[in-house]
Amino acid sequence: AQRVTQPEKLLSVFKGAPVELKCNYSYSGSPELFWYVQYSRQRLQLLLRHISRESIKGFTADLNKGETSFHLKKPFAQEEDSAMYYCALQGAQKLVFGQGTRLTINP
Amino acid sequence: SAVISQKPSRDICQRGTSLTIQCQVDSQVTMMFWYRQQPGQSLTLIATANQGSEATYESGFVIDKFPISRPNLTFSTLTVSNMSPEDSSIYLCSGAGRNYGYTFGSGTRLTVV
Repeated sequence: AQRVTQPEKLLSVFKGAPVELKCNYSYSGSPELFWYVQYSRQRLQLLLRHISRESIKGFTADLNKGETSFHLKKPFAQEEDSAMYYCALQGAQKLVFGQGTRLTINP
Repeated sequence: SAVISQKPSRDICQRGTSLTIQCQVDSQVTMMFWYRQQPGQSLTLIATANQGSEATYESGFVIDKFPISRPNLTFSTLTVSNMSPEDSSIYLCSGAGRNYGYTFGSGTRLTVV
């Protein structure tokens, strides 16, 4: 079975501080991991995927197969980063989401 | 990536009635999915919409309650049948292609009264 766990429902940090949103997964096969973001009143959109190994809006995420984690990081948070963040796992031809973390960046 | 149009964007329905949600993709996708997002919660996969055949439903979802059609590669419908207030939710369509991953529609906000 596929499972994604985001242990923090809410995360609040100050502008300029580092941010780390945690994501752990469970899957017996070879997973493909994603981070999606949903800004206020906007549709869900892809932030990054582990196979591309790119940095989007200053965010990065590294797949750690030993710890089955895919944490999302940004060294210096900006106010516009305030949003809902979802970690997702693709396996067996379907995408399964974690519970999401609401990130609030305080000025 | 594909652009997904979903309608209606919102509706208020009487209990016991049915609502059909439409999803149109601007390019061919290999797979289409329907998700539900209940208030304050994450996205839960309802089913995979298969072209020309019956949808593949996830545990807890059945065809009689959520019939799905996908007559071609770019169009799908989800019907929420015999609605009750517990069906109040946001319903999202998603398309996946080989080169761009998963794209989502803007969602249908359903309120059942």
